Amino acid sequence: NAGVTQTPKFQVLKTGQSMTLQCAQDMNHEYMSWYRQDPGMGLRLIHYSVGAGITDQGEVPNGYNVSRSTTEDFPLRLLSAAPSQTSVYFCASSYNRGRETQYFGPGTRLLVL
Amino acid sequence: EDQVTQSPEALRLQEGESSSLNCSYTVSGLRGLFWYRQDPGKGPEFLFTLYSAGEEKEKERLKATLTKKESFLHITAPKPEDSATYLCAVEKGGGNKLTFGTGTQLKVEL
Repeated sequence: NAGVTQTPKFQVLKTGQSMTLQCAQDMNHEYMSWYRQDPGMGLRLIHYSVGAGITDQGEVPNGYNVSRSTTEDFPLRLLSAAPSQTSVYFCASSYNRGRETQYFGPGTRLLVL
Repeated sequence: EDQVTQSPEALRLQEGESSSLNCSYTVSGLRGLFWYRQDPGKGPEFLFTLYSAGEEKEKERLKATLTKKESFLHITAPKPEDSATYLCAVEKGGGNKLTFGTGTQLKVEL
């Protein structure tokens, strides 16, 4: 069991560039989510999905796009990167029954210049 | 609005010096309170889930407790390897979404 995997580990972008952060899990979890972590702000929910084909917005969705075509994968797309999107991004997954432990990936550190 | 507040922001302990971290919350319909440990440059690692007031859970030197307004993470006789940031998160009714506090950065020195 690899758990939750994320690629890349680190990325530098220029303002206006686009990129996709990859997230995959091998635990057959229905629920997957993306968070960003900034100093002094805690983890904030960007988007989440309760199953293949179903996505919804979290607390800070602007500038990000997601889709869920398979149970295993939940990519996060930055359409036109901005310096305000410099952050550490974490993907998490769990069963979709509520009160379930969410397991986090190792994170992607993104720097937008 | 749901709020999760952790205190202190940072805590420095000597090895063996027991202490407690606090997580206070204001959320209607709490379904669960989660504690995570985060090491620098890594993702949060699950520690405990507490579901109802009065519940307690233990793991090695850590003990988590829950009341209707707050949770405590007690660290007994800490060791340097307990140094990390400890995160608290709450889940309320209606889905799996978590609201996180900003964490307590713990450093345990020899």
